[in-house]
Amino acid sequence: GQNIDQPTEMTATEGAIVQINCTYQTSGFNGLFWYQQHAGEAPTFLSYNVLDGLEEKGRFSSFLSRSKGYSYLLLKELQMKDSASYLCAVRTTDSWGKLQFGAGTQVVVTP
Amino acid sequence: DAGVTQSPTHLIKTRGQQVTLRCSPKSGHDTVSWYQQALGQGPQFIFQYYEEEERQRGNFPDRFSGHQFPNYSSELNVNALLLGDSALYLCASSFRQGAYEQYFGPGTRLTVT
Repeated sequence: GQNIDQPTEMTATEGAIVQINCTYQTSGFNGLFWYQQHAGEAPTFLSYNVLDGLEEKGRFSSFLSRSKGYSYLLLKELQMKDSASYLCAVRTTDSWGKLQFGAGTQVVVTP
Repeated sequence: DAGVTQSPTHLIKTRGQQVTLRCSPKSGHDTVSWYQQALGQGPQFIFQYYEEEERQRGNFPDRFSGHQFPNYSSELNVNALLLGDSALYLCASSFRQGAYEQYFGPGTRLTVT
C-alpha cells in the first residue's frame, strides 16, 4: 500500500501564504491530487500533478517531485474562506480508479 | 448541469441492521467510486463500478457490496452494521475508470447506534 503523510493542522493569518507538505511512498506512481474539504461538505478538486514541477492556478499552486515522493500545496493571499481541510491523494498504475488519501491538513485562517 | 447527488443525507441505524445508500453521478460520467470517511480522517476507497461491474475494491469486508444500474447510478449496501461503520459515505463520479478528476457528492452521514 501507500503511506501518505501530511501535517495535521496549520494556522496562518489572513493575507499570508501557507505551504502544506505531503510525502508519499508508493510503487507505480500515477498522479497526485489535492482536494479541499470544508466541514460537512464534499471534497472539491484543486489540482493534479503527474510530472515534476509547479502547477499554478490562481491563488493555489501545487508542486511535485517524484524522485523525492514529495508534493506541496501553496495557498497565497489567504482568505477566511480558505479555512478547510486539505487532502493529498495518490493514484497508482495498478488501480486507476482508486485514490489513496492522506488524513488531511486542517488549515485555520485567523483575522 | 447537476453534480453528483446522494441520498439520504443522514441516516441512523441500529447495530446488526442493513443499509442502502444511493448515488447519481454527474451528467456525462459513467464511473462511480465509493469512499468511507471517518471523522478527522481522509476518505478510504471502498470500491468502484464501471459498466455495471465492480472493477476495483479496497480493503473492506464482504459486508460492503454495491451495484451500478444502466443509467450509471449506484447503490452501496452494508449488511450487519457495526458501530465502527459510522462515517460519512462519499460517492465520486468520473468519466471512464482512469479519468484523473473525480467529482464528489455531498455524502451520506451514517450513524450506527
